[in-house]
Amino acid sequence: NAGVTQTPKFQVLKTGQSMTLQCAQDMNHNSMYWYRQDPGMGLRLIYYSASEGTTDKGEVPNGYNVSRLNKREFSLRLESAAPSQTSVYFCASSDGNRVQETQYFGPGTRLLVL
Amino acid sequence: GDSVTQMEGPVTLSEEAFLTINCTYTATGYPSLFWYVQYPGEGLQLLLKATKADDKGSNKGFEATYRKETTSFHLEKGSVQVSDSAVYFCALRANTGNQFYFGTGTSLTVIP
Repeated sequence: NAGVTQTPKFQVLKTGQSMTLQCAQDMNHNSMYWYRQDPGMGLRLIYYSASEGTTDKGEVPNGYNVSRLNKREFSLRLESAAPSQTSVYFCASSDGNRVQETQYFGPGTRLLVL
Repeated sequence: GDSVTQMEGPVTLSEEAFLTINCTYTATGYPSLFWYVQYPGEGLQLLLKATKADDKGSNKGFEATYRKETTSFHLEKGSVQVSDSAVYFCALRANTGNQFYFGTGTSLTVIP
């Protein structure tokens, strides 16, 4: 059981370059999330998708776009990377049962923007 | 809005010491509360959770009780091990909407 997978594990970009972070889950979850983790800031929500076909902004959406490709996959795109986007990015999914809901996290993508 | 405040670290303890990491929250209604653990180089893993007031979540010797009256969900363990060294995150999920809210994390180092 793979759970939540993310690619790539590590990436170095130059300012202005673009890239897409991929995320997939095999748990048949309805909801998926993208977070960034910065020292002293905890996890901050970038975008989330409550169900296939819907996406919503989180706390820090500027500079990012997302696509919920199907129920399994949720990608995060940086159109023009900036040094401020250097961070560790985590994808998560949850089953959508609100009372018992638990999020399951991927291993993360470490992004360095020079 | 909804938020979580947790004790700042880092925390360093000797093996077999007692651990408390404080967590308080702000939310309307009755949120679900969680503790996640992150080991070096890995993603977050659910440690325990509680979904209603006075519930106690427990796992791997860790416990936390959902206290509505003090809006708290403090994490405790009676005797920590070196393998417990990690970053611990308190989180809540409100009973409306789809978002989770995380604290800033508390780094724990246990020395032999």
